[in-house]
Amino acid sequence: GQNIDQPTEMTATEGAIVQINCTYQTSGFNGLFWYQQHAGEAPTFLSYNVLDGLEEKGRFSSFLSRSKGYSYLLLKELQMKDSASYLCAVMDSNYQLIWGAGTKLIIKP
Amino acid sequence: IAGITQAPTSQILAAGRRMTLRCTQDMRHNAMYWYRQDLGLGLRLIHYSNTAGTTGKGEVPDGYSVSRANTDDFPLTLASAVPSQTSVYFCASSNLAGVNGELFFGEGSRLTVL
Repeated sequence: GQNIDQPTEMTATEGAIVQINCTYQTSGFNGLFWYQQHAGEAPTFLSYNVLDGLEEKGRFSSFLSRSKGYSYLLLKELQMKDSASYLCAVMDSNYQLIWGAGTKLIIKP
Repeated sequence: IAGITQAPTSQILAAGRRMTLRCTQDMRHNAMYWYRQDLGLGLRLIHYSNTAGTTGKGEVPDGYSVSRANTDDFPLTLASAVPSQTSVYFCASSNLAGVNGELFFGEGSRLTVL
């Protein structure tokens, strides 16, 4: 079966760096997405990786290793507003998105 | 403001009743999707539409139906609601049908079936 694994919850300190991991087993691979979802709100797009390596976008970076079925989202200079759930999703060979359950990130002052 | 509008925002429904969740987008996206989100689970695809006039079943389609009469609207209907359909429902759209398409989500419809 298809599976996306990410930690349920993480805690970090304001101003610090946090890495949220995502491992996947899917039928084929056509890209990996990260979305941010604040409590009670809709998910919003953060990043897309289809080739191995690191994609940097401001304070957020996303890494992909297709051979390892692994990705991470790196958040730098954490701010209180970064408290949210972070969803990892993989597009399979049928171009369907398979979603992880999300990682709830708690930022402490 | 361009985007996706869902209605209602929240609804309490008696089991056995029929309910339609409305979704309208003004971005002229060809693909639209309905997901449900339950605590501890990832977003699960209910139905999708790659273009007006076509629809497809997702991971959890039973008990739900959709239609796509035009580009902008993609309503989701529960013919006879059951308590297991209590969830938050998100409508989404994308510019490309499946390939590299960033999803844009509506604000969600919280449905409680008693």
